Amino acid sequence: GAVVSQHPSWVICKSGTSVKIECRSLDFQATTMFWYRQFPKQSLMLMATSNEGSKATYEQGVEKDKFLINHASLTLSTLTVTSAHPEDSSFYICSANYQPGRVNEQFFGPGTRLTVL
Amino acid sequence: AQSVTQLGSHVSVSEGALVLLRCNYSSSVPPYLFWYVQYPNQGLQLLLKYTSAATLVKGINGFEAEFKKSETSFHLTKPSAHMSDAAEYFCAVSRPNRDDKIIFGKGTRLHILP
Repeated sequence: GAVVSQHPSWVICKSGTSVKIECRSLDFQATTMFWYRQFPKQSLMLMATSNEGSKATYEQGVEKDKFLINHASLTLSTLTVTSAHPEDSSFYICSANYQPGRVNEQFFGPGTRLTVL
Repeated sequence: AQSVTQLGSHVSVSEGALVLLRCNYSSSVPPYLFWYVQYPNQGLQLLLKYTSAATLVKGINGFEAEFKKSETSFHLTKPSAHMSDAAEYFCAVSRPNRDDKIIFGKGTRLHILP
């Protein structure tokens, strides 16, 4: 089956530093990837839609300059949390569409736990 | 706008008993509906999905859900709970052939009592 990986699985950083999280589709090409964040004991909140070769589409209330998304290839999207602060600590999960328009073929990564000290 | 409402943030059932997790949806167009399971510190695993075919959908691990348009519901059931079913369950909705976004409910924590 389709597999999506994330790296790193967890990261601890100091306040003010930037952190990059990678999302890869291992055995299929994904023209669209999605980034979510999940606070403890809460649901997933969609942050942005990442399209290969174009700018990401951010959800209302998500800071574009804070959460930089790059989708440089059909198998890789990256989320960079810039100038991270403790309130950015969260569980970040990505997902990838196997084919555009086939939302029933969306696969999720295992998540990245970010802790900002 | 689409949304899902999961009734009950916590549900406890005894091992061997029926599992029923409730989900109601709101959508301006015929939706796709999903149930996902999440174990601690892990990503999401798809249990089952409704994509406008059969209204009774069977998924993995013995779970099933029934799409009821008249009730705008998509409740998840399992005849006999196992200890391994203890996890967080999310109901989700999307708009087919639109923007592919999946909107999640707030989740229901399922506890299995021995």
